[in-house]
Amino acid sequence: EAGVTQFPSHSVIEKGQTVTLRCDPISGHDNLYWYRRVMGKEIKFLLHFVKESKQDESGMPNNRFLAERTGGTYSTLKVQPAELEDSGVYFCASSPGTGVHEQFFGPGTRLTVL
Amino acid sequence: GDSVTQMEGPVTLSEEAFLTINCTYTATGYPSLFWYVQYPGEGLQLLLKATKADDKGSNKGFEATYRKETTSFHLEKGSVQVSDSAVYFCALSDQGGGNKLTFGTGTQLKVEL
Repeated sequence: EAGVTQFPSHSVIEKGQTVTLRCDPISGHDNLYWYRRVMGKEIKFLLHFVKESKQDESGMPNNRFLAERTGGTYSTLKVQPAELEDSGVYFCASSPGTGVHEQFFGPGTRLTVL
Repeated sequence: GDSVTQMEGPVTLSEEAFLTINCTYTATGYPSLFWYVQYPGEGLQLLLKATKADDKGSNKGFEATYRKETTSFHLEKGSVQVSDSAVYFCALSDQGGGNKLTFGTGTQLKVEL
């Protein structure tokens, strides 16, 4: 069974540009999470989807970040316009159903804003 | 809010040495506790977990015990190998918060021959 995949693996953009990150969760997993690790600090929660609905977006830094999950399958995270402080590694994770389940993480997308 | 504090790295050990990585937490409810590991060039993998007080999680020779009285979940391994070199993250999940994970800063471990 395929794991969580993320695309691209690396992205280098100029300040003010737009970038879209994609996450494909494990098939059948209702829960999809986005996290971010900035500058070697702790990994921080961004938001949580249950199927196509945003369950919790309390970790989104500001309105330059927009996340969607089409049809409850893959998810995109758009940053527009990107700022220097957005640089970091963006992780996606998925888990099945309800209750305390292991979250399966993707390899991450390393975003560098110049 | 919830928080996790883990020891600063990097930690450098010789092969077969004993490993302890300290982790303490603050949570309002009754969280589940996790250790995730990130090997070079890979994503995070769950190493072990404990869902209630006094539970011991174990995997691949690593162990951690959920200590409610000291709010700790220290990671231990009796004899590390070069292949254990990685970044280790302690994390908690408060079920009332949709199972989102709160992570520590990560501890880089390097094991040398």
